Amino acid sequence: AQKITQTQPGMFVQEKEAVTLDCTYDTSDPSYGLFWYKQPSSGEMIFLIYQGSYDQQNATEGRYSLNFQKARKSANLVISASQLGDSAMYFCAMCWKTSYDKVIFGPGTSLSVIP
Amino acid sequence: GAGVSQSPSNKVTEKGKDVELRCDPISGHTALYWYRQSLGQGLEFLIYFQGNSAPDKSGLPSDRFSAERTGGSVSTLTIQRTQQEDSAVYLCASSLDLGRQLNQPQHFGDGTRLSIL
Repeated sequence: AQKITQTQPGMFVQEKEAVTLDCTYDTSDPSYGLFWYKQPSSGEMIFLIYQGSYDQQNATEGRYSLNFQKARKSANLVISASQLGDSAMYFCAMCWKTSYDKVIFGPGTSLSVIP
Repeated sequence: GAGVSQSPSNKVTEKGKDVELRCDPISGHTALYWYRQSLGQGLEFLIYFQGNSAPDKSGLPSDRFSAERTGGSVSTLTIQRTQQEDSAVYLCASSLDLGRQLNQPQHFGDGTRLSIL
């Protein structure tokens, strides 16, 4: 069964430093997509970055990059030059071709940026 | 353009009452999702619509929950005979067509915060 694991319930990072948020997943489907979303304390879910299972290069989007290691089934989010506004919950999510009617989310990681 | 709109933003009701939550997706988005998020938890998938049809309703927590979508647009999630454990934030999301293109992100509404007294 498809499953997403985020092993870090809470993380702290100093402002202006980089931080890596872990995400591992389990699927037997060769075609899938991975997403990261940010949820600030205000509650809205904000799409950050996408990685397809067949993408040759790691996705990047501004200060966000994805360290995609397909063989290890991991898709870690790297945030460079952390800002106070990055403090939020971060969710890793996955969809897959053979069951596109579902998108499953990991339990989330709470990131706190320290000034 | 307008994003995903959910109403009401907050709903407080007594145990045993029925509630109806509404989601208005982004225009042109054929895929629509409902999730439930309990306090401090991740997102629990409830149901997905492609157009007006929901191929799999097994994610709904109980038979007190039902959902429909009409005209390929607005969706309503109805909870009958509410229980205290139904208290949560109910999030709706839409996307262009996640089935054909995996890279379409979901756009979320602000959610309905439901409190059952």
